[in-house]
Amino acid sequence: KNQVEQSPQSLIILEGKNCTLQCNYTVSPFSNLRWYKQDTGRGPVSLTIMTFSENTKSNGRYTATLDADTKQSSLHITASQLSDSASYICVVTSWGGGFKTIFGAGTRLFVKA
Amino acid sequence: GAVVSQHPSWVICKSGTSVKIECRSLDFQATTMFWYRQFPKQSLMLMATSNEGSKATYEQGVEKDKFLINHASLTLSTLTVTSAHPEDSSFYICSARGSPIAEGRTDTQYFGPGTRLTVL
Repeated sequence: KNQVEQSPQSLIILEGKNCTLQCNYTVSPFSNLRWYKQDTGRGPVSLTIMTFSENTKSNGRYTATLDADTKQSSLHITASQLSDSASYICVVTSWGGGFKTIFGAGTRLFVKA
Repeated sequence: GAVVSQHPSWVICKSGTSVKIECRSLDFQATTMFWYRQFPKQSLMLMATSNEGSKATYEQGVEKDKFLINHASLTLSTLTVTSAHPEDSSFYICSARGSPIAEGRTDTQYFGPGTRLTVL
């Protein structure tokens, strides 16, 4: 069964600290994995997208990693800011048997001053 | 920049009225468009998938006569909430599948900013 699991479900950190969010998937065949940031009351905004051959991709203070062998991805946030408080959603796209997009439940990050 | 737009960004209506939400792909043709609903503090829930020129495929539990989807062109899809009731109040998000130049022609889903519907 195609699934995307994220952990932790929620996380509270202090401003300036680093954090890492995890995403494990069982989607096959794999096409790409994307991390989105969703602020409350807004649509998801793409942070990174990685295909099978990519191991890491950065976007400012966000760095995503992908291990296609173990089917794991992580999103590392460096020097967190209050504006990083949001839900972070891992989404895996598969083209097997038609285009499918499988969503993780998201990690809610709270950054406190 | 954004590659998918939605209009309106928010709407308040009276119970019993119908509301139309537009979703447009900007500068690319969307082979497929998706409509999601999201309640507070919950994940996105897929409502329906539509391909241009054909009928939408609705997820289980979503009333097709209540949520009318029209995918008239490769850049426009509309969701009409008919006879809206307070329980239809939610955040509606559309998504378009395509390969916009602005995104390096990566074929995946791109999300709109969402529409907040409040039914009084």
